[in-house]
Amino acid sequence: DAKTTQPPSMDCAEGRAANLPCNHSTISGNEYVYWYRQIHSQGPQYIIHGLKNNETNEMASLIITEDRKSSTLILPHATLRDTAVYYCIVRKGGSEKLVFGKGTKLTVNP
Amino acid sequence: NAGVTQTPKFQVLKTGQSMTLQCAQDMNHNSMYWYRQDPGMGLRLIYYSASEGTTDKGEVPNGYNVSRLNKREFSLRLESAAPSQTSVYFCASNPRSNQPQHFGDGTRLSIL
Repeated sequence: DAKTTQPPSMDCAEGRAANLPCNHSTISGNEYVYWYRQIHSQGPQYIIHGLKNNETNEMASLIITEDRKSSTLILPHATLRDTAVYYCIVRKGGSEKLVFGKGTKLTVNP
Repeated sequence: NAGVTQTPKFQVLKTGQSMTLQCAQDMNHNSMYWYRQDPGMGLRLIYYSASEGTTDKGEVPNGYNVSRLNKREFSLRLESAAPSQTSVYFCASNPRSNQPQHFGDGTRLSIL
């Protein structure tokens, strides 16, 4: 699976959009981009995933660049409860494996 | 709506003791997984079961065994616990291997 690079930490003001970047320059054509988050010591929570097109659900939006070498997770109106570690994972279609890196620690400030 | 349930939530063992961590899911998922997470690190896959009756090694299987007891349950066994196995253990499941995984809340295991 392709490696991903994320900033170790980010801050965001409550109510503002949080934009979390991820580089995956060695991604191949059949690999999906997944985002999970882990709040405090809880189990990871699935957020969103995509292959080529931008995706949106009730939690977030995922913007994937045209060359697919990077992506951005957008939390449109961050709340204090969005403070968590966010993991960007690239995974082959049909693969069982999720390879977690160290993620980005997002702190939402009041 | 329990999802993925792990027991126990906390456990302290002495070196050399054995222990089985239990995981059950009520979502009729085919695939189940065991991960460990060490401080400041992401999760690492120990074993997984793509379907009932099958198990496969992940990234860090040494020192562990697993049993897929039935479709609902996937247990992780430490036969002779070592301090290096002190970690938080997470179980996960998904309907099929290419779909998002649902995680339990973890078992915090300390080995003295």
